[in-house]
Amino acid sequence: DVKVTQSSRYLVKRTGEKVFLECVQDMDHENMFWYRQDPGLGLRLIYFSYDVKMKEKGDIPEGYSVSREKKERFSLILESASTNQTSMYLCASSAGGPYNEQFFGPGTRLTVL
Amino acid sequence: ILNVEQSPQSLHVQEGDSTNFTCSFPSSNFYALHWYRWETAKSPEALFVMTLNGDEKKKGRISATLNTKEGYSYLYIKGSQPEDSATYLCAFLGNNNDMRFGAGTRLTVKP
Repeated sequence: DVKVTQSSRYLVKRTGEKVFLECVQDMDHENMFWYRQDPGLGLRLIYFSYDVKMKEKGDIPEGYSVSREKKERFSLILESASTNQTSMYLCASSAGGPYNEQFFGPGTRLTVL
Repeated sequence: ILNVEQSPQSLHVQEGDSTNFTCSFPSSNFYALHWYRWETAKSPEALFVMTLNGDEKKKGRISATLNTKEGYSYLYIKGSQPEDSATYLCAFLGNNNDMRFGAGTRLTVKP
């Protein structure tokens, strides 16, 4: 069974903290994505990666960075968390080309106080 | 900026009703359109990946059509059941690998 896991379902952090969100997939997928979901806005792409050590900015990369040292793991980093980064964060992966469906993790609901 | 719009935002139907909703997207630089179903407390799951103008896809009681020339896709659910209650997301993929999601249509099916 295809699986994408995220390190936490719920996370509460304080303004200014460095936050790591981890995503692991077990499908040997080349592509991995980080999204955030806010009410009324749908999923917005933060960063994506098509290969190990490779990263591309999505629509809203400001305030975030990513790391992909291994094929199966894609980390999202909030260097200095702010209250406007309170959101649901979803990781996804897909194989091969852009036609292919994405498989999503369960999401991490991050609250920044 | 690409706009992917879904309508309606939310929909309440009775069990047994058939329903449909729309995803509108730019008609230029089209590469693919994805439909996802997102149930509360679960991960989004892919329903369909559509690439060709005129494509029609079906999975059980759910089907989708695609018109890339005019930039829209319809999702149909025949004989809605309470377990169909979910948010249905469409995602447009452009030629430059740009992927944009709509805000979704939240469907509630009342028993």
